[in-house]
Amino acid sequence: EVQLVETGGGLVRPGSSLKLSCATSGFTFSNTWMNWVRQAPGKGLEWVALIKDKYSNYEANYAESVKGRFTISRDDSKSRVYLQMNTLRDQDTATYYCTRRYRYNPFAYWGQGTLVTVSS
Amino acid sequence: DVVLTQTPPTLLATIGQSVSISCRSSQSLLHSNGNTYLNWLLQRTGQSPQPLIYLVSKLESGVPNRFSGSGSGTDFTLKISGVEAEDLGVYYCMQFTHYPLTFGSGTKLEIK
Repeated sequence: EVQLVETGGGLVRPGSSLKLSCATSGFTFSNTWMNWVRQAPGKGLEWVALIKDKYSNYEANYAESVKGRFTISRDDSKSRVYLQMNTLRDQDTATYYCTRRYRYNPFAYWGQGTLVTVSS
Repeated sequence: DVVLTQTPPTLLATIGQSVSISCRSSQSLLHSNGNTYLNWLLQRTGQSPQPLIYLVSKLESGVPNRFSGSGSGTDFTLKISGVEAEDLGVYYCMQFTHYPLTFGSGTKLEIK
């Protein structure tokens, strides 16, 4: 069974940093592209970042709203994907979901999400 | 960025009624490799989104065949033939033909 479990969310001040983690199991992580998607309270879905697998040289892509502030990374030995978030803003407040790509769907599997609240 | 415009924003349906949701793209979603990367997802209240349809019209495993997708280029439709109570929630279209990946604003399906 595929499982994605996000951790690391919490309440932080504007300008601070936070690192999210997504632990995965039930599939071959090393050859899977992974994404982070977020959802502000009561709002729609926003793609945040993508990291490809080793066969694609771990290429990463970011939404313009987080480029230069967020970094996606992965540890294939631990089957984990991370999102380092720096210089956090109020607008980054959201539930952050880790998703797994499968075949023609970049969001085929979702975790339960972790809530990040940025507030002074 | 590709903008996906979903209509209607809210849909009120009775059980057994057939409904359609439109998703219009600001650019063609036909990739140079011949695929059209337009998917549909459903998010039930308090839950993570779940995939319904990929590549415009292909049902994800386990999705009932009352769901169907159609369209091409810039115009796409999700149809539910005979709404059931478990279908309520917010439906999103999304595209990954172009970076950045983008989602529609969602259509909330409510049951009368």
